Amino acid sequence: QVQLVESGGGLVKPGESLRLSCTASGFTFSDFYMAWVRQAPGKGLEWVSYISSSGTTTYYADSVRGRFTISRDNAKNSLYLQMNSLRAEDAAIYYCARDTRMMSTFGGVSTFDNWGQGTLVTVSS
Amino acid sequence: DIQMTQSPSSLSASVGDTVAITCRASQSIRSYLNWYQQKPGKAPKLLIYAVSSLQSGVPSRFRGSGSGTDFTLTISSLQPEDFATYYCQQSYSSPAFGQGTKVDIK
Repeated sequence: QVQLVESGGGLVKPGESLRLSCTASGFTFSDFYMAWVRQAPGKGLEWVSYISSSGTTTYYADSVRGRFTISRDNAKNSLYLQMNSLRAEDAAIYYCARDTRMMSTFGGVSTFDNWGQGTLVTVSS
Repeated sequence: DIQMTQSPSSLSASVGDTVAITCRASQSIRSYLNWYQQKPGKAPKLLIYAVSSLQSGVPSRFRGSGSGTDFTLTISSLQPEDFATYYCQQSYSSPAFGQGTKVDIK
């Protein structure tokens, strides 16, 4: 079965950096786009970034563009999120999610069909 | 950027009730609309994609409808395991979620 396991979260001070990892299993990792989605404590879901299956194309939310970098290592079935210049508002649970194009009557629709359990990032002085 | 607005933000219902959650997009997203369910302390779970297609294993009491800018998630005969927070999400452009609707027990 599909499994996504995040790691790397922790407590950092504002301005510091952190690198999150997500290890995938149970599917052909290199066939899928992957994404990071975050959820601040008690708040809703916010898409952060996603990366194409080959890793050549990346997309970012405006709130993190220029500070965060998504990457992947298909040989290691791993997804990463390098987070620099962290701010208090970046504090959240960060979920790794598989982006699957589901077929419908009008074509393919991108969905986040599998999620990890999340890793908590706390930003505080 | 496309904004997604859900209503209500929360609702209280009883087992067996039928509830409806609406989701409005700030511009047309055609049928690129998904719904997720999240229970406390858990990751979200895909329920419905492309407005009305049920993800594998999702009970038929969940129904999605709508097109363009206005969408609805209807849950018929609410079951104890359905008390959760529901999010809509558009995949027409850069992904965006609604703010969530919490369904709790009356």
